[in-house]
Amino acid sequence: AQSVTQPDIHITVSEGASLELRCNYSYGATPYLFWYVQSPGQGLQLLLKYFSGDTLVQGIKGFEAEFKRSQSSFNLRKPSVHWSDAAEYFCAVVLTGNDMRFGAGTRLTVKP
Amino acid sequence: GAVVSQHPSWVICKSGTSVKIECRSLDFQATTMFWYRQFPKQSLMLMATSNEGSKATYEQGVEKDKFLINHASLTLSTLTVTSAHPEDSSFYICSARSWGAYNEQFFGPGTRLTVL
Repeated sequence: AQSVTQPDIHITVSEGASLELRCNYSYGATPYLFWYVQSPGQGLQLLLKYFSGDTLVQGIKGFEAEFKRSQSSFNLRKPSVHWSDAAEYFCAVVLTGNDMRFGAGTRLTVKP
Repeated sequence: GAVVSQHPSWVICKSGTSVKIECRSLDFQATTMFWYRQFPKQSLMLMATSNEGSKATYEQGVEKDKFLINHASLTLSTLTVTSAHPEDSSFYICSARSWGAYNEQFFGPGTRLTVL
């Protein structure tokens, strides 16, 4: 079945530590890939997206993601987490002409 | 560019009443608009897809007579929750897409609906 999987429901990291949020997809073709962040009670903010080309994508707020076709993954990374990064993170995919499907989300807690 | 607005940002209504939520693309023409629903601490679930000038396509399990969607123009889609009940309380998010945007959707800020 076609799906987007975020294996980690909740991750806690210390401020200043590195971060990696996992995302795997299960589709016949390579979809367009996105990462969004959502603060409580707020809408979605696009962090970065991958359509084609360079598999390492730079986004806003110091985030980056790497597309690995062989692993059907699009993991989000940040070298040094700030307290303001605490939020819910969603991976999403779009197949050409179709709608966007979201992973279950990963809640990030940042310890002082 | 690519700004999507929603109105209202939050609404409280009595059980049995109807509520209309507007979604507007402010600086582009949205050939397709999407409506999502998000329960607390959960992901976004697609409710329906609407193309300008045609009937919306609803996802399985979404009652089309309860969640009326109108996409009358290239910049406006509305979601009307009819005869709302407390279980309809949720965060409703719309998004808009235009051709040539690599199928990227632009999201509105969401509408918090509370049904008493």
